[in-house]
Amino acid sequence: QQPVQSPQAVILREGEDAVINCSSSKALYSVHWYRQKHGEAPVFLMILLKGGEQKGHEKISASFNEKKQQSSLYLTASQLSYSGTYFCGTEGSGNTGKLIFGQGTTLQVKP
Amino acid sequence: DSGVTQTPKHLITATGQRVTLRCSPRSGDLSVYWYQQSLDQGLQFLIQYYNGEERAKGNILERFSAQQFPDLHSELNLSSLELGDSALYFCASSSYGYTFGSGTRLTVV
Repeated sequence: QQPVQSPQAVILREGEDAVINCSSSKALYSVHWYRQKHGEAPVFLMILLKGGEQKGHEKISASFNEKKQQSSLYLTASQLSYSGTYFCGTEGSGNTGKLIFGQGTTLQVKP
Repeated sequence: DSGVTQTPKHLITATGQRVTLRCSPRSGDLSVYWYQQSLDQGLQFLIQYYNGEERAKGNILERFSAQQFPDLHSELNLSSLELGDSALYFCASSSYGYTFGSGTRLTVV
């Protein structure tokens, strides 16, 4: 079952913060986050394994609440380069490596 | 260069035809995943191979088939093509997170 992302779209000014949510109805083994710029391939940002740990680097971080089967991606002090479509990909408890992606959240950062 | 190689980059073909898309995973990665991305749509999982064997299948049409060869490269075969098959087709391999190839843009006319 496809995870649900919210919001569908976000417009920010440089320096503002954003949160993108990803929710699944199934038990999860891991959640991945990817960013895709127009006409390019998705690029891996981070992976979160069940255990609720928060990961991140620089100004992009994420959390995973395995009890609620939810993950959130936090972008702080956004930069123009953060613009793109963000996808969460969820891996079920079977741990096959297969990811089911959400429908995406389009983020536009304006000067 | 992500290390995952997809060919061709672009393909234009007529309805009813058959095409083959090719993917070489990153060195050392045993898994290959195929995804379809239609215009402004998300990534739809098609099929996964691991070390030559099919491991998982998504909503892949019967007109589509895939295989992974002993050298670990994979091919996705699309036959009896329809206009609605026009899309970007990505393959990915994984070790820690997915690494996607640059994709094949298929246009069916």
